[in-house]
Amino acid sequence: DTGVSQDPRHKITKRGQNVTFRCDPISEHNRLYWYRQTLGQGPEFLTYFQNEAQLEKSRLLSDRFSAERPKGSFSTLEIQRTEQGDSAMYLCASSLVGGPGEQFFGPGTRLTVL
Amino acid sequence: KQEVTQIPAALSVPEGENLVLNCSFTDSAIYNLQWFRQDPGKGLTSLLLIQSSQREQTSGRLNASLDKSSGRSTLYIAASQPGDSATYLCAGDSGYALNFGKGTSLLVTP
Repeated sequence: DTGVSQDPRHKITKRGQNVTFRCDPISEHNRLYWYRQTLGQGPEFLTYFQNEAQLEKSRLLSDRFSAERPKGSFSTLEIQRTEQGDSAMYLCASSLVGGPGEQFFGPGTRLTVL
Repeated sequence: KQEVTQIPAALSVPEGENLVLNCSFTDSAIYNLQWFRQDPGKGLTSLLLIQSSQREQTSGRLNASLDKSSGRSTLYIAASQPGDSATYLCAGDSGYALNFGKGTSLLVTP
């Protein structure tokens, strides 16, 4: 078990560009979550999937953000027309439905929008 | 929305001391309470999960308690070590989303 992995670990982009992040959950986990963390704050929930279905989206997830989990395995988070306010750490987590509910986090993707 | 508060925001202790980190939450209808450790620029490492039917969990030098009626959880760290220096976050589980506090930044000095 290699844990939750995220790619890339760091991304620097110019304002207005599109970026895409990938998350690979723990292999048997059927729930996958995306969170965003800014400096000095705790992570904030963005969205989650159970298998391939996106079941909940936070109001933080504007229409410039889209997340997919097409085959119920890995997930992608795309941000279109990036803004400086999108600069943050994007964290992915996974858990097992029917398990104790513990969420396991990946190392995160640090996004810097210039 | 579940509001989670952590006190203190920062703490500095000499090596070997026992310490307590506090977490309070506004909605007692939480499913689980999870404690995490975060090193600078890194992801979150799960330390302890307390399910709603439980009152405490222990792992090594760590002990976490949960009192849903008062909306409080504490993380007790025994015999602190410099390697314990990190930010500690608590999070209440609403059924899917974790609602996090801002964390307690802990520095253990040799």
